[in-house]
Parts: sequence; structure tokens; C-alpha cells
Amino acid sequence: ETGVTQSPTHLIKTRGQQVTLRCSSQSGHNTVSWYQQALGQGPQFIFQYYREEENGRGNFPPRFSGLQFPNYSSELNVNALELDDSALYLCASSPPRTGSYNKQVFGPGTRLTVL
Amino acid sequence: KQEVTQIPAALSVPEGENLVLNCSFTDSAIYNLQWFRQDPGKGLTSLLLIQSSQREQTSGRLNASLDKSSGRSTLYIAASQPGDSATYLCAVLRSSGSRLTFGEGTQLTVNP
Repeated sequence: ETGVTQSPTHLIKTRGQQVTLRCSSQSGHNTVSWYQQALGQGPQFIFQYYREEENGRGNFPPRFSGLQFPNYSSELNVNALELDDSALYLCASSPPRTGSYNKQVFGPGTRLTVL
Repeated sequence: KQEVTQIPAALSVPEGENLVLNCSFTDSAIYNLQWFRQDPGKGLTSLLLIQSSQREQTSGRLNASLDKSSGRSTLYIAASQPGDSATYLCAVLRSSGSRLTFGEGTQLTVNP
């Protein structure tokens, strides 16, 4: 069983640039959620994708956008990067919503540094 | 709005000690609660998941309890080891398929 993978591992960008982060979900999972974790803080929910549609969004501006593909992989795009966007970006996948068990499995994260 | 608080923020103990990490949440209408471990600069590893109908879960030296009515969960670590040093995060899921709300974590250091 392949777990959740993310690419790239690390990324350095300058303020104002755009970035795309990628996530491959675990086999059998159809839902992908993205979280931002600033240094020393807990992860904050950005948004979730289910059946290629955005299904819930946290308190993040529209310059944070995403996609989900038919194979359930996902991208997170951030435009007009700001210094405060520097963080660890975590992707989590979860299985179809059947039964009473719903567990999100996290990838290793992408460390984004904005200079 | 759900808020999750973890106490203490940091904890340093000698090897072999039993310890308790605390997590509280403001909205008791949760679907499940998870405890995660995070090593520096790494992703999250799920340790234990407790469904809202359950009171506790155990895995090896770890035991997590859930008291939904009081909005509290504890993670008990028995006979701590230096390899347990990490940040421990708790997170609650409001409903099936929704977002996780995390606490800010407890940074644990176990000294040899």
C-alpha cells in the first residue's frame, strides 16, 4: 500500500512569485485535504477536495487555490507569495465516506520558504 | 468555532517516567479525535484514533482517553524513552469527511 506522497520536499521562492505543490493520495482514498503549518504552531486547514470539487475551505484568501485530478491526486497553488506563506504544507488523504471510520493519512509535507 | 488547546506546551522528563499530555476542545460534537506525532521538520504520524463513541484506545505504551462531555482527551505514555522525543498533536474531526482542527502541540523531550 503506497502512502501519501508530496513534491517537492523543499522549495524557496521570492515574494510575489507563484508556487505549485503536489500530492498523491494513498491508494483507495478519494478525498484530499491541505493544511498549512507555520513554525511552532499546529496545522491550519486550507481546503479539501472531494470528487474533483472543493469541499470546504478554511480562512485563507483566494490566492490559495487547488485542483483534484481523476486519479485523486491534488495540487495546491499559491499566487502572489507573501513572507507569511513560509510554512510546512501538509497534504492528507482519506478514504470514501462509508461506515463510521474516517482517518486522514498525512504526507511528509513540503517546506516552502518565501524570501 | 471549534478550538483545541494542548497543555503543557513543552515537557522535559527523564527516561523511564510515565507522563500525561492533555488536550481540550470547546465543541463536544466531534466525530473522532486523533493523536499525532511529529518529528522536527517532518509530516504527521497518526498514533491513536478514538471514535466519538469510544472512551479509550491503546497501542503499545500509549493509551489515549476521551471524555466528550467535558471536552477532554489525554495521551498517556508509559516508561518513556529518548526515542519518544517529538511534538505531539491532538486533532478533532467535526463530522465524517470534514476538516481536522488541531491544537498547537506539546513538545516532549525525554532525557537519557
